[in-house]
Amino acid sequence: GAGVSQSPSNKVTEKGKDVELRCDPISGHTALYWYRQSLGQGLEFLIYFQGNSAPDKSGLPSDRFSAERTGGSVSTLTIQRTQQEDSAVYLCASSLDLGRQLNQPQHFGDGTRLSIL
Amino acid sequence: AQKITQTQPGMFVQEKEAVTLDCTYDTSDPSYGLFWYKQPSSGEMIFLIYQGSYDQQNATEGRYSLNFQKARKSANLVISASQLGDSAMYFCAMCWKTSYDKVIFGPGTSLSVIP
Repeated sequence: GAGVSQSPSNKVTEKGKDVELRCDPISGHTALYWYRQSLGQGLEFLIYFQGNSAPDKSGLPSDRFSAERTGGSVSTLTIQRTQQEDSAVYLCASSLDLGRQLNQPQHFGDGTRLSIL
Repeated sequence: AQKITQTQPGMFVQEKEAVTLDCTYDTSDPSYGLFWYKQPSSGEMIFLIYQGSYDQQNATEGRYSLNFQKARKSANLVISASQLGDSAMYFCAMCWKTSYDKVIFGPGTSLSVIP
């Protein structure tokens, strides 16, 4: 079956513009995660969805970042008034239900490479 | 606070030899899970192996095995018979029962396999 799909794969935009990143998880996966990975760095946790709800938004770097998930499926990460420090690869992952079963691995998309000029 | 440490930023191994990548973690939660992921230069994150905190035996998955020492809070990844395709970044990750909405990752170890 299809894996986690992210779009666009690459996005170049000017500082100050808004961007929207999309994640389509594996069908049936209720848990969805967003991470940010800067060049040569590890993964920075941004937000987690269980179904459509995100119980903790404290991982989002600033109030310019927001995320939503509708229908328990597709999620969008929106960055308003982009800054150069927002340049990174944004990774999305999904899993069956990490809450009930700790052994469910995350399946990652290929990421969106965001470059702010 | 939960934290993962990978003390080896870069490692080299000769092809066909075994290599151990270190991972130590800190948590007060007795129920947790540990994962290892591989990230080749192409960027995709690939799940390798899982170890639960209550698992009695060390996890194994093909050429990958996990040296789990619970008392020392370490979960080292052992790759046997290294192949050139094993060259990648390797990340140790953890989730835990009381805060299952987070999965935290270590900083990663870059492994280079030398022919």
